[in-house]
Amino acid sequence: GDSVTQMEGPVTLSEEAFLTINCTYTATGYPSLFWYVQYPGEGLQLLLKATKADDKGSNKGFEATYRKETTSFHLEKGSVQVSDSAVYFCALIGGFQKLVFGTGTRLLVSP
Amino acid sequence: DTAVSQTPKYLVTQMGNDKSIKCEQNLGHDTMYWYKQDSKKFLKIMFSYNNKELIINETVPNRFSPKSPDKAHLNLHINSLELGDSAVYFCASSQKAGTETQYFGPGTRLLVL
Repeated sequence: GDSVTQMEGPVTLSEEAFLTINCTYTATGYPSLFWYVQYPGEGLQLLLKATKADDKGSNKGFEATYRKETTSFHLEKGSVQVSDSAVYFCALIGGFQKLVFGTGTRLLVSP
Repeated sequence: DTAVSQTPKYLVTQMGNDKSIKCEQNLGHDTMYWYKQDSKKFLKIMFSYNNKELIINETVPNRFSPKSPDKAHLNLHINSLELGDSAVYFCASSQKAGTETQYFGPGTRLLVL
C-alpha cells in the first residue's frame, strides 16, 4: 500500500537557521503530495501541495518540490522563526484515494 | 466563519459509555472524513463519506459508527468506549473525493478513564 516516511524528530534549530525536513513516499501511480502543519493544541492546516512531478509548492517561505525520480518531497525554509515551531506532516493521496500521513516531525525553534 | 467545526472540543468519559462527536462543514464540500491521531501524533483515516455515502471504511472496530445526515455533517458515534479509544479525532472535508485538498477541523480530544 501507499506509505510516507519522514525523518525522526524533534528537529531543534535557532531562529534564522535553514530548515530541511525529509520526506519520501511509496505509491502506485502519480500521487498528489502535501505538507500539513499542526501548531500546539490545534488542528492540521495545509501548508503546501504539489500534484505532479517537478511541481514546487510554496507558502509562508516554505517550499517543497515533487521529485518523482527520488520519490521525495522535502520541506525547506531559508530562515525559520520561533513561530514556526510545530509538528509537520508529509502526506500523499494515491490510487486508493486516501490521505496517507507520515509520522510527523516536530520542529522546535529557539530565539 | 469556521470552515470545519467539531463539537465537543474535549470529551472525558468512563469506560463502557457511549459518546458522539459532531462535525459540520460550511464549505459546500461533497466529501467528509474522520481521522484518529494517537498519542504519538500518528494520523490514520477511519471513514470517508461522499454525498452521504460511505466510500472508505478502514479496519475500525464496529463500535465506531459514522452517520451523515446530510452533505454538511458527519457525526461519529462510539459505543462501549475503551481505554484505547483515547485519542484526538479530526474531521475533514474536501470538494470531492480523490486527490482534492482536505481541510481539517480543530479536533476532539477524547479521554477514556
